[in-house]
Amino acid sequence: DTAVSQTPKYLVTQMGNDKSIKCEQNLGHDTMYWYKQDSKKFLKIMFSYNNKELIINETVPNRFSPKSPDKAHLNLHINSLELGDSAVYFCASSPVGGQPQHFGDGTRLSIL
Amino acid sequence: GDSVTQMEGPVTLSEEAFLTINCTYTATGYPSLFWYVQYPGEGLQLLLKATKADDKGSNKGFEATYRKETTSFHLEKGSVQVSDSAVYFCALSVRDSNYQLIWGAGTKLIIKP
Repeated sequence: DTAVSQTPKYLVTQMGNDKSIKCEQNLGHDTMYWYKQDSKKFLKIMFSYNNKELIINETVPNRFSPKSPDKAHLNLHINSLELGDSAVYFCASSPVGGQPQHFGDGTRLSIL
Repeated sequence: GDSVTQMEGPVTLSEEAFLTINCTYTATGYPSLFWYVQYPGEGLQLLLKATKADDKGSNKGFEATYRKETTSFHLEKGSVQVSDSAVYFCALSVRDSNYQLIWGAGTKLIIKP
């Protein structure tokens, strides 16, 4: 019974393609997040949703679009993939008050 | 703005050595402080936290004390094991910033048998 699950775990695709990453949490949390982790392990928040409403939208290219159909799901769609998008993307969720955050195991995106 | 600074890695130690990973912060409000750990191939998980000055967080033999006077939250462990090899992240959150986590750059810890 995984708390925060992401699919797929690995995603290898070519430049210019469009892809989606799905995230689901079964913890009953109201807040969900997307992070990007680069090859040096630096972690950057991309988006945060609270009860399906966007509350954090950092400086991220418009090619990235989050979608939250309900508070248990937060998907990430990426258009026109570029080489620089190669990274590990983490989904996380948290209760009211923001802590602690529970992370999924990540999606490793590789752009050829 | 708010920020977290961690010592650069990798930190390489022998098993049973004493560990310190330094973390200092800058915050305008009264932050809560956290250490998260990321084992290879996994997501991050909360290791310990402290919500006010002089609080000590502890878990799995790790400890960190919230020092307001030095704006620090250093992570320590008395005797490390090979299984402690991971990347450790220091972070803070401030209520005024919607509890958004501000992350340090992470410190990779390598423990040799």
